[in-house]
Amino acid sequence: EAGVTQFPSHSVIEKGQTVTLRCDPISGHDNLYWYRRVMGKEIKFLLHFVKESKQDESGMPNNRFLAERTGGTYSTLKVQPAELEDSGVYFCASSWGQGRYGYTFGSGTRLTVV
Amino acid sequence: AQTVTQSQPEMSVQEAETVTLSCTYDTSESDYYLFWYKQPPSRQMILVIRQEAYKQQNATENRFSVNFQKAAKSFSLKISDSQLGDAAMYFCAYRSGQTSGSRLTFGEGTQLTVNP
Repeated sequence: EAGVTQFPSHSVIEKGQTVTLRCDPISGHDNLYWYRRVMGKEIKFLLHFVKESKQDESGMPNNRFLAERTGGTYSTLKVQPAELEDSGVYFCASSWGQGRYGYTFGSGTRLTVV
Repeated sequence: AQTVTQSQPEMSVQEAETVTLSCTYDTSESDYYLFWYKQPPSRQMILVIRQEAYKQQNATENRFSVNFQKAAKSFSLKISDSQLGDAAMYFCAYRSGQTSGSRLTFGEGTQLTVNP
């Protein structure tokens, strides 16, 4: 089966611009998660979708971040306007059920804000 | 809130030898899951091994095994007969056993180098 796909793999944008990251989960996985790793630090949870609904968005840093999951399939994470501290690697993961048996991660999007 | 600590930012091992990566966590829960994930350079994270807290037996997957000490809140990963392909960043992660708690809490990672 196809894995979790994220694109772009890299993005370099200027401060103040908008960037949209996309994640295509494994087909049939209702649960989709976004995480972020800022350079040298731990990977932190951003939010969790169950189908098209936001189950938990307590990790979203501020209102410049907007996540959507139209139709319960792919998800987008928009950063508008981007700030320097938004730089990092954004990971998407999906799971069948609630992830007690593990999660499948994408390769991540490396975002650099200059 | 749960926390996960990996105290070794970097580790190295000679090919064919054994290495142990440390992970400790803090939680007040009794039901939870622990994971080790491996991320090779520029590639996706792969699940290496999984442990359920209510199981006393340590999980094993081929050359990978864990030493799960629930009372000490320790979850170390042992890699036996290390191979060049084992070189990667390794992340320890915690998942609550509660239905509503499916997010993962990660440690900061350990960069493993395998020397030929």
